[in-house]
Amino acid sequence: EDQVTQSPEALRLQEGESSSLNCSYTVSGLRGLFWYRQDPGKGPEFLFTLYSAGEEKEKERLKATLTKKESFLHITAPKPEDSATYLCAVSGYSTLTFGKGTMLLVSP
Amino acid sequence: GAVVSQHPSRVICKSGTSVKIECRSLDFQATTMFWYRQFPKQSLMLMATSNEGSKATYEQGVEKDKFLINHASLTLSTLTVTSAHPEDSSFYICSAKNRVNEKLFFGSGTQLSVL
Repeated sequence: EDQVTQSPEALRLQEGESSSLNCSYTVSGLRGLFWYRQDPGKGPEFLFTLYSAGEEKEKERLKATLTKKESFLHITAPKPEDSATYLCAVSGYSTLTFGKGTMLLVSP
Repeated sequence: GAVVSQHPSRVICKSGTSVKIECRSLDFQATTMFWYRQFPKQSLMLMATSNEGSKATYEQGVEKDKFLINHASLTLSTLTVTSAHPEDSSFYICSAKNRVNEKLFFGSGTQLSVL
């Protein structure tokens, strides 16, 4: 059974304080690892897809990395508008499995 | 960018009524669409996978007679919650897989409240 564990459950940062979110996974035949951002009351917004260990992708203040067991979402010098829940999901042979998310709050 | 339109965004209904939620891929064709439900502060839970022109595949524990899924075209899937009860109140989200690049895009979700 595919499993995704995200940590921490919640993270509070000061504006400009860089940090990382973790996504640990076990999956049969990884077809892709996805990061999404979700604002309250809205559907998830796609951020990145990573396909193989060693791959990295960047978008503005966000950088996602992937190993064979986990992925990190690095947030550099975050701003209050980065506050959201960040979801990680893995795609195996048959389905997409989501983690419970990390709720990020960035204070000015 | 690719857009998935989900409608309605919010619905309040009486217990015993049926509610239909639509999910449309506006600028791409989707051979596969997924339906999820999300309880407050919980992860997205896959309910079913629908492929255009065939019956949906339901996850264990999801009643197929209660959650009717129709995927009649490459751009439209519908989820009908039949005889809704208060315990069906939840946030329902669809996603569509682009048949060309296999990227997954999400709708904006539907908040269902059953009184």
